[in-house]
Amino acid sequence: DSGVTQTPKHLITATGQRVTLRCSPRSGDLSVYWYQQSLDQGLQFLIQYYNGEERAKGNILERFSAQQFPDLHSELNLSSLELGDSALYFCASSVWGEGTDTQYFGPGTRLTVL
Amino acid sequence: TQLLEQSPQFLSIQEGENLTVYCNSSSVFSSLQWYRQEPGEGPVLLVTVVTGGEVKKLKRLTFQFGDARKDSSLHITAAQPGDTGLYLCAGATGTGNQFYFGTGTSLTVIP
Repeated sequence: DSGVTQTPKHLITATGQRVTLRCSPRSGDLSVYWYQQSLDQGLQFLIQYYNGEERAKGNILERFSAQQFPDLHSELNLSSLELGDSALYFCASSVWGEGTDTQYFGPGTRLTVL
Repeated sequence: TQLLEQSPQFLSIQEGENLTVYCNSSSVFSSLQWYRQEPGEGPVLLVTVVTGGEVKKLKRLTFQFGDARKDSSLHITAAQPGDTGLYLCAGATGTGNQFYFGTGTSLTVIP
């Protein structure tokens, strides 16, 4: 158990819909990261937050957005869903979000878009 | 864009055999990490290497960072069924904490 929690574990929805994935970081961690893992693209970095502010942006689509709240939990919002958005979405957290700071991954949310 | 290529993509070996997984790129990385991911779970960090030529050992696992900091290898001695999983390398290109993950190597160790 990494100490990072993600909900829900599974999510099935239809194309065109909008969903929200939630992540609670490890106690004491200030930085949160979101990743997408699919069979054809592997594990892709989406976005990083540190203490409520966006720190780095990766391959995140404009239809996707995220935020980190004052209590440090984070949400990833996916809208206008397409079949290709079906994937595992991981959240990770680290203390400072810099350098070689260790990232601890949650168990993931499996999103299926039908 | 996939910056890190891993080989082999799939590997199935008998218990007790040795194996090496490679992680290659044309980019220079400030640090490189190796993770293991089991089905239904998130990746778990195994090691971080930061110096070109660095070698780290973790029990039966040996990690090496290339001299030019563009490649890395993971060697497992006397593989055990518990080593089964997806091995991922990940490199950071700056001082930030943004890591780019490799394509992955799926290892199966048969008892």
